[in-house]
Amino acid sequence: TQLLEQSPQFLSIQEGENLTVYCNSSSVFSSLQWYRQEPGEGPVLLVTVVTGGEVKKLKRLTFQFGDARKDSSLHITAAQPGDTGLYLCAGNNAGNNRKLIWGLGTSLAVNP
Amino acid sequence: NAGVTQTPKFRILKIGQSMTLQCTQDMNHNYMYWYRQDPGMGLKLIYYSVGAGITDKGEVPNGYNVSRSTTEDFPLRLELAAPSQTSVYFCASRGASLTDTQYFGPGTRLTVL
Repeated sequence: TQLLEQSPQFLSIQEGENLTVYCNSSSVFSSLQWYRQEPGEGPVLLVTVVTGGEVKKLKRLTFQFGDARKDSSLHITAAQPGDTGLYLCAGNNAGNNRKLIWGLGTSLAVNP
Repeated sequence: NAGVTQTPKFRILKIGQSMTLQCTQDMNHNYMYWYRQDPGMGLKLIYYSVGAGITDKGEVPNGYNVSRSTTEDFPLRLELAAPSQTSVYFCASRGASLTDTQYFGPGTRLTVL
């Protein structure tokens, strides 16, 4: 059974701080996605990474896919209150493309 | 383009009652999913479908049923509601590619008393 472990589970920081969220597995994934979920809404895709070692940037957010495609990280620079939400990683495997494997999420609170 | 729509947005059920949560997508996606999300937790897959007439169980299917008679619709049926089914339910859809986005509906908040 493929599993994705996210850490930390909860994070509360002050505006302007930097943070990193991790998504780890013992399994290889063909692609990995990061979603953000705001309170009362469904998750929304932030990024998809496909190639081992790939780095993608989305404004203050930097996403990296591990060289072995077993792990990923999300780094936020100078966090803002608008970054508050639940961050979920989800892996996809070419061997079973029918459903994503979801991490349990990291709940981020950025305090003004 | 409406994306994924869900009805109702809120519902309170009594123990033992039944209801159907509706989900419709207008993106012609073959893959559709039902998740439940308990407070402060991640997503748990209830059922999914890879096309009309094809459904399969996820991690937590007990107490639920689904059908997929058309590409657009994927209703979730709760029979004999129990307090343990109090949760927020999300419907989602996506295309068949490894990198396709999974689009979520706005959710249905269900309370069973």
